[in-house]
Amino acid sequence: SAVISQKPSRDICQRGTSLTIQCQVDSQVTMMFWYRQQPGQSLTLIATANQGSEATYESGFVIDKFPISRPNLTFSTLTVSNMSPEDSSIYLCSVADSKYTEAFFGQGTRLTVV
Amino acid sequence: DAKTTQPPSMDCAEGRAANLPCNHSTISGNEYVYWYRQIHSQGPQYIIHGLKNNETNEMASLIITEDRKSSTLILPHATLRDTAVYYCIVRVSVGNEKLTFGTGTRLTIIP
Repeated sequence: SAVISQKPSRDICQRGTSLTIQCQVDSQVTMMFWYRQQPGQSLTLIATANQGSEATYESGFVIDKFPISRPNLTFSTLTVSNMSPEDSSIYLCSVADSKYTEAFFGQGTRLTVV
Repeated sequence: DAKTTQPPSMDCAEGRAANLPCNHSTISGNEYVYWYRQIHSQGPQYIIHGLKNNETNEMASLIITEDRKSSTLILPHATLRDTAVYYCIVRVSVGNEKLTFGTGTRLTIIP
Protein backbone atom coordinates (compact mmCIF):
# COMPACT_ATOMS: atom_id res chain seq x y z
CA SER A 1 0.00 0.00 0.00
CA ALA A 2 0.99 3.64 -0.37
CA VAL A 3 1.53 5.83 2.68
CA ILE A 4 0.67 9.50 2.31
CA SER A 5 1.91 12.34 4.48
CA GLN A 6 -0.11 15.51 4.20
CA LYS A 7 0.94 18.79 5.80
CA PRO A 8 -0.28 20.78 7.60
CA SER A 9 -2.95 18.71 9.29
CA ARG A 10 -4.89 21.84 10.15
CA ASP A 11 -4.56 25.60 9.98
CA ILE A 12 -6.49 28.75 10.75
CA CYS A 13 -5.88 31.49 8.21
CA GLN A 14 -6.88 35.08 7.68
CA ARG A 15 -9.06 35.93 4.73
CA GLY A 16 -7.15 37.22 1.72
CA THR A 17 -4.08 35.10 2.44
CA SER A 18 -2.92 31.88 0.78
CA LEU A 19 -2.06 28.44 2.15
CA THR A 20 0.02 25.75 0.49
CA ILE A 21 -0.69 22.14 1.39
CA GLN A 22 1.90 19.47 0.78
CA CYS A 23 1.36 15.82 -0.13
CA GLN A 24 4.22 13.34 0.03
CA VAL A 25 3.83 9.65 -0.86
CA ASP A 26 6.29 6.91 0.02
CA SER A 27 6.46 5.43 -3.47
CA GLN A 28 6.28 6.65 -7.05
CA VAL A 29 2.70 6.87 -8.27
CA THR A 30 1.21 7.76 -11.60
CA MET A 31 -1.79 9.70 -10.37
CA MET A 32 -2.19 12.28 -7.64
CA PHE A 33 -5.51 13.98 -6.95
CA TRP A 34 -6.75 16.80 -4.77
CA TYR A 35 -10.24 16.74 -3.21
CA ARG A 36 -12.22 19.21 -1.16
CA GLN A 37 -14.73 18.24 1.51
CA GLN A 38 -16.91 21.08 2.71
CA PRO A 39 -18.50 20.79 6.15
CA GLY A 40 -21.03 17.96 6.25
CA GLN A 41 -20.57 17.19 2.57
CA SER A 42 -19.04 14.47 0.44
CA LEU A 43 -15.70 14.71 -1.34
CA THR A 44 -15.43 16.76 -4.52
CA LEU A 45 -12.51 16.38 -6.90
CA ILE A 46 -10.63 19.63 -7.46
CA ALA A 47 -8.00 18.50 -9.93
CA THR A 48 -5.60 15.84 -11.10
CA ALA A 49 -1.98 16.79 -10.51
CA ASN A 50 0.09 15.93 -13.59
CA GLN A 51 3.83 15.42 -13.30
CA GLY A 52 5.69 17.86 -15.49
CA SER A 53 2.61 19.62 -16.84
CA GLU A 54 -0.35 21.73 -15.78
CA ALA A 55 -2.97 20.14 -13.56
CA THR A 56 -6.32 19.07 -14.98
CA TYR A 57 -9.11 20.93 -13.19
CA GLU A 58 -12.69 19.80 -12.68
CA SER A 59 -15.62 22.01 -13.54
CA GLY A 60 -15.93 24.85 -11.07
CA PHE A 61 -12.27 24.92 -10.08
CA VAL A 62 -9.65 27.18 -11.66
CA ILE A 63 -5.90 27.38 -11.59
CA ASP A 64 -5.78 30.95 -10.28
CA LYS A 65 -7.65 29.92 -7.14
CA PHE A 66 -6.11 26.47 -6.66
CA PRO A 67 -2.64 26.35 -8.22
CA ILE A 68 -1.12 22.88 -8.09
CA SER A 69 2.43 21.68 -8.52
CA ARG A 70 3.69 18.15 -9.21
CA PRO A 71 7.47 18.28 -9.57
CA ASN A 72 7.97 14.50 -9.38
CA LEU A 73 6.15 11.21 -8.92
CA THR A 74 6.06 11.36 -5.11
CA PHE A 75 5.14 14.96 -4.27
CA SER A 76 2.46 17.54 -4.97
CA THR A 77 1.25 20.81 -3.52
CA LEU A 78 -2.12 22.53 -3.56
CA THR A 79 -2.37 26.24 -2.84
CA VAL A 80 -5.63 27.82 -1.76
CA SER A 81 -5.28 31.44 -2.86
CA ASN A 82 -6.92 34.64 -1.68
CA MET A 83 -8.92 32.72 0.88
CA SER A 84 -12.42 33.54 2.07
CA PRO A 85 -14.50 31.86 4.78
CA GLU A 86 -16.18 29.80 2.04
CA ASP A 87 -12.87 28.02 1.52
CA SER A 88 -13.09 26.51 5.00
CA SER A 89 -13.00 22.80 4.24
CA ILE A 90 -10.96 19.65 4.53
CA TYR A 91 -8.54 19.27 1.63
CA LEU A 92 -7.43 15.72 0.83
CA CYS A 93 -4.66 14.31 -1.30
CA SER A 94 -5.19 10.96 -3.00
CA VAL A 95 -2.88 8.74 -5.04
CA ALA A 96 -3.46 5.91 -7.47
CA ASP A 97 -1.35 3.70 -9.67
CA SER A 98 -1.85 0.68 -11.86
CA LYS A 99 0.23 -1.41 -9.45
CA TYR A 100 -2.48 -0.94 -6.81
CA THR A 101 -6.12 -2.02 -6.99
CA GLU A 102 -7.32 0.89 -4.90
CA ALA A 103 -6.68 4.58 -4.33
CA PHE A 104 -5.15 5.86 -1.12
CA PHE A 105 -5.91 9.03 0.80
CA GLY A 106 -4.01 11.29 3.12
CA GLN A 107 -5.50 12.28 6.44
CA GLY A 108 -6.50 15.66 5.11
CA THR A 109 -5.85 19.30 5.96
CA ARG A 110 -8.58 21.00 7.93
CA LEU A 111 -8.61 24.64 6.89
CA THR A 112 -10.52 27.34 8.71
CA VAL A 113 -10.60 30.83 7.21
CA VAL A 114 -11.50 33.69 9.54
CA ASP B 1 -18.65 6.63 -14.21
CA ALA B 2 -22.09 5.25 -13.27
CA LYS B 3 -24.16 6.96 -10.60
CA THR B 4 -24.86 5.19 -7.33
CA THR B 5 -27.74 5.51 -4.88
CA GLN B 6 -27.36 4.78 -1.18
CA PRO B 7 -29.62 5.36 1.84
CA PRO B 8 -28.46 8.48 3.70
CA SER B 9 -28.25 6.79 7.09
CA MET B 10 -28.55 3.45 8.87
CA ASP B 11 -28.25 2.16 12.42
CA CYS B 12 -26.97 -1.24 13.45
CA ALA B 13 -26.62 -2.87 16.86
CA GLU B 14 -23.11 -3.66 18.00
CA GLY B 15 -22.19 -7.27 17.27
CA ARG B 16 -24.79 -7.67 14.56
CA ALA B 17 -24.17 -7.77 10.83
CA ALA B 18 -24.42 -4.41 9.08
CA ASN B 19 -25.81 -4.65 5.55
CA LEU B 20 -25.32 -1.53 3.44
CA PRO B 21 -27.13 -1.47 0.08
CA CYS B 22 -26.11 0.35 -3.08
CA ASN B 23 -27.97 0.72 -6.36
CA HIS B 24 -25.97 1.18 -9.56
CA SER B 25 -28.52 0.34 -12.24
CA THR B 26 -26.55 2.03 -15.07
CA ILE B 27 -23.30 0.21 -14.38
CA SER B 28 -21.36 -0.82 -17.47
CA GLY B 29 -19.89 -4.26 -18.04
CA ASN B 30 -16.34 -3.09 -17.40
CA GLU B 31 -17.08 -1.06 -14.27
CA TYR B 32 -16.06 -2.27 -10.84
CA VAL B 33 -17.95 -1.68 -7.59
CA TYR B 34 -15.75 -0.14 -4.88
CA TRP B 35 -16.52 0.57 -1.24
CA TYR B 36 -14.70 3.11 0.90
CA ARG B 37 -15.47 4.43 4.34
CA GLN B 38 -14.61 7.66 6.08
CA ILE B 39 -14.37 7.70 9.83
CA HIS B 40 -14.87 11.13 11.29
CA SER B 41 -12.03 13.56 10.50
CA GLN B 42 -9.99 10.98 8.63
CA GLY B 43 -9.25 10.32 4.94
CA PRO B 44 -11.35 7.69 3.16
CA GLN B 45 -10.25 4.10 3.67
CA TYR B 46 -10.58 1.37 1.05
CA ILE B 47 -12.72 -1.58 2.10
CA ILE B 48 -13.33 -3.91 -0.82
CA HIS B 49 -14.11 -4.05 -4.52
CA GLY B 50 -15.54 -6.47 -7.07
CA LEU B 51 -16.59 -6.86 -10.68
CA LYS B 52 -19.30 -9.53 -10.69
CA ASN B 53 -18.34 -12.23 -8.23
CA ASN B 54 -18.94 -11.96 -4.51
CA GLU B 55 -15.82 -10.95 -2.61
CA THR B 56 -14.67 -11.29 0.97
CA ASN B 57 -11.69 -9.93 2.85
CA GLU B 58 -10.74 -9.39 6.47
CA MET B 59 -12.94 -6.30 6.72
CA ALA B 60 -16.12 -7.14 4.86
CA SER B 61 -18.01 -9.07 2.22
CA LEU B 62 -19.37 -7.69 -1.01
CA ILE B 63 -22.42 -9.25 -2.60
CA ILE B 64 -23.16 -8.18 -6.19
CA THR B 65 -26.46 -9.19 -7.78
CA GLU B 66 -26.36 -11.29 -10.92
CA ASP B 67 -27.52 -8.38 -13.09
CA ARG B 68 -24.89 -6.16 -11.34
CA LYS B 69 -27.44 -3.40 -10.81
CA SER B 70 -27.04 -3.44 -7.05
CA SER B 71 -24.71 -4.61 -4.35
CA THR B 72 -24.54 -4.99 -0.57
CA LEU B 73 -21.59 -4.42 1.70
CA ILE B 74 -21.70 -6.66 4.76
CA LEU B 75 -19.78 -5.97 7.96
CA PRO B 76 -20.27 -9.32 9.70
CA HIS B 77 -19.86 -8.28 13.34
CA ALA B 78 -20.16 -4.52 13.62
CA THR B 79 -18.23 -2.71 16.33
CA LEU B 80 -18.42 0.89 17.52
CA ARG B 81 -15.31 1.62 15.44
CA ASP B 82 -17.30 0.84 12.30
CA THR B 83 -19.33 4.02 12.76
CA ALA B 84 -18.49 5.99 9.60
CA VAL B 85 -19.79 7.22 6.27
CA TYR B 86 -19.67 4.43 3.68
CA TYR B 87 -19.30 5.26 0.01
CA CYS B 88 -20.21 2.97 -2.87
CA ILE B 89 -18.39 3.95 -6.06
CA VAL B 90 -18.34 2.45 -9.53
CA ARG B 91 -15.37 3.05 -11.80
CA VAL B 92 -14.02 1.70 -15.04
CA SER B 93 -10.53 0.55 -14.36
CA VAL B 94 -8.70 -0.98 -11.48
CA GLY B 95 -5.91 1.20 -10.22
CA ASN B 96 -5.20 4.59 -11.63
CA GLU B 97 -8.50 6.36 -12.12
CA LYS B 98 -10.05 9.15 -10.10
CA LEU B 99 -12.96 8.43 -7.78
CA THR B 100 -16.32 10.18 -7.92
CA PHE B 101 -17.97 10.22 -4.50
CA GLY B 102 -21.71 10.26 -3.94
CA THR B 103 -23.35 11.22 -0.67
CA GLY B 104 -22.75 7.84 1.01
CA THR B 105 -24.49 6.15 3.95
CA ARG B 106 -23.83 7.32 7.48
CA LEU B 107 -23.69 4.10 9.51
CA THR B 108 -24.09 4.40 13.27
CA ILE B 109 -23.33 1.40 15.44
CA ILE B 110 -25.51 1.39 18.54
CA PRO B 111 -24.03 -0.07 21.77
